[in-house]
Amino acid sequence: GQQVMQIPQYQHVQEGEDFTTYCNSSTTLSNIQWYKQRPGGHPVFLIQLVKSGEVKKQKRLTFQFGEAKKNSSLHITATQTTDVGTYFCALVGNFGNEKLTFGTGTRLTIIP
Amino acid sequence: KAGVTQTPRYLIKTRGQQVTLSCSPISGHRSVSWYQQTPGQGLQFLFEYFSETQRNKGNFPGRFSGRQFSNSRSEMNVSTLELGDSALYLCASSLQGPPLSEQYFGPGTRLTVT
Repeated sequence: GQQVMQIPQYQHVQEGEDFTTYCNSSTTLSNIQWYKQRPGGHPVFLIQLVKSGEVKKQKRLTFQFGEAKKNSSLHITATQTTDVGTYFCALVGNFGNEKLTFGTGTRLTIIP
Repeated sequence: KAGVTQTPRYLIKTRGQQVTLSCSPISGHRSVSWYQQTPGQGLQFLFEYFSETQRNKGNFPGRFSGRQFSNSRSEMNVSTLELGDSALYLCASSLQGPPLSEQYFGPGTRLTVT
């Protein structure tokens, strides 16, 4: 089955520092979605990447899809306390099987 | 536009019992997916319904089942509850289904099995 590794599992940063989480698949992907879940909340959709090498930006957030469509990253510049939460990638395989597989998530905490 | 609603929000059951959870999607959304979230296993896909048909299923035992009604509302049922079924059950609705369009999650139902 498809293996989804998301690293790191936890990240503690000082407010104002940058943060990056990585999502790696053992197989080529059709597309990838990113979600954020605040403590005690539910996942909220951030973005979807479809094309090889795609880069998308949302204010301080930059999302990348690898050239081989096997990995992706989310980078936050100058973190703020509102960025606290768990960031999940969600992968769609390239097998004709359209299940969405969530990564294990990276929990971000901010030290004010 | 009203968001995804789930009822009940909290539930306590004992082993061996069964439980039914309900999800009302965003108006116009025909796809409803169910997920189980636990600290140890993360977010795991249960099944997806689209226009009353189960379109995809995760790797869960047959004790987990679901259905979707003509108004797109969905229910999931867990029979013969086990302690390991304690989890947050999330439903998510979308226009076309998870791989193609973004999913909108409900607040979840927190199930505790004692």
